[in-house]
Amino acid sequence: AQRVTQPEKLLSVFKGAPVELKCNYSYSGSPELFWYVQYSRQRLQLLLRHISRESIKGFTADLNKGETSFHLKKPFAQEEDSAMYYCALSGQGFSFIFGKGTRLLVKP
Amino acid sequence: GAGVSQSPSNKVTEKGKDVELRCDPISGHTALYWYRQSLGQGLEFLIYFQGNSAPDKSGLPSDRFSAERTGGSVSTLTIQRTQQEDSAVYLCASSPTRGGYGYTFGSGTRLTVV
Repeated sequence: AQRVTQPEKLLSVFKGAPVELKCNYSYSGSPELFWYVQYSRQRLQLLLRHISRESIKGFTADLNKGETSFHLKKPFAQEEDSAMYYCALSGQGFSFIFGKGTRLLVKP
Repeated sequence: GAGVSQSPSNKVTEKGKDVELRCDPISGHTALYWYRQSLGQGLEFLIYFQGNSAPDKSGLPSDRFSAERTGGSVSTLTIQRTQQEDSAVYLCASSPTRGGYGYTFGSGTRLTVV
């Protein structure tokens, strides 16, 4: 079965500290993995896709097929990074499968 | 339009009443998706449209939920005989084709059933 697991509901760090938001997936084929972000009172928006291997707002994510993980990382967190982060998988079906999300709180 | 537009942005309804939620996707986007966002539950897939047909309705939680899309554009999600557990934010997204690229969300309709 297709599944996306984000084990942490809340991650709280201090400004300048490294951040790692965990995402594990279950999928039998070759999935596409994504990270979406929702800032307070804003709509969900795409942060990055594993295919493009890009860095957005200092965030990167590497697809590890051996560990079936797609963790989101940033070396130095900023207060404006505080938001809800969702990991998502696009596979054989028509829809995305989303994790339940992790709320990142960056304290000053 | 410039983005995915949803209306109303907020809806308060009495238990047992029917509600209609509207989604106006980005012009030219053939794929349209409905999700439900509840506190602690993340994003729950409801239904997917490709053009006017819905090849995947697997996420609709009960027969009180239905959706249609006309003209390959606007979609309406209808909830009949609303229950308190239907309270959530209902999100619509569209994309140019099936799958991940260019997937854009609307700002959602917050439904409160009292």
